[in-house]
Amino acid sequence: EAQVTQNPRYLITVTGKKLTVTCSQNMNHEYMSWYRQDPGLGLRQIYYSMNVEVTDKGDVPEGYKVSRKEKRNFPLILESPSPNQTSLYFCASSFGTLNSPLHFGNGTRLTVT
Amino acid sequence: AQTVTQSQPEMSVQEAETVTLSCTYDTSESDYYLFWYKQPPSRQMILVIRQEAYKQQNATENRFSVNFQKAAKSFSLKISDSQLGDAAMYFCAYRSANAGNNRKLIWGLGTSLGVNP
Repeated sequence: EAQVTQNPRYLITVTGKKLTVTCSQNMNHEYMSWYRQDPGLGLRQIYYSMNVEVTDKGDVPEGYKVSRKEKRNFPLILESPSPNQTSLYFCASSFGTLNSPLHFGNGTRLTVT
Repeated sequence: AQTVTQSQPEMSVQEAETVTLSCTYDTSESDYYLFWYKQPPSRQMILVIRQEAYKQQNATENRFSVNFQKAAKSFSLKISDSQLGDAAMYFCAYRSANAGNNRKLIWGLGTSLGVNP
């Protein structure tokens, strides 16, 4: 089944404790991206990648890191999480063409205390 | 910068009836792409329908269709024969054709649709 697999689904952590949210897609998509969804702010892009070893900042990259060592994987790393990073996170992927829709993972609900 | 506005935070419809969700956007570009996504309580984002701005014909996917008015910068979603499973948050999204390698979507804040049995 074609899908974007994101783990974990829920995560509760404390301020400053490094964490990684994994994302993997099995559709051979070139493009991958991370979004966060917050009430009243909608979905905002954190980082994106158009190819292996090529990543770039989105609209709200501060406090996040990503890597794209393999085409299928695009982990999101929070080296020192803070409470303002409490949010719902989505990984998404698509082919590189402009009319290709984004395919989303199931989301990760992160709470930082 | 482009913006997307969904003016109806909440709507409801009777099962089997038709409902239209509104979306307007602001852009100076002539080439772009528009999408509607559905987010049910399971929270996964699911593509409903998409429209290329260069196409005059309105997109249709089964019970879902759009009314794309390019001059008015309007992109409404019509759901016919509404079903209980249509209850969800619906998001309108815009993608520029001039964003280089970034396939970013710019999102509206959503419309929460309830379906009454």
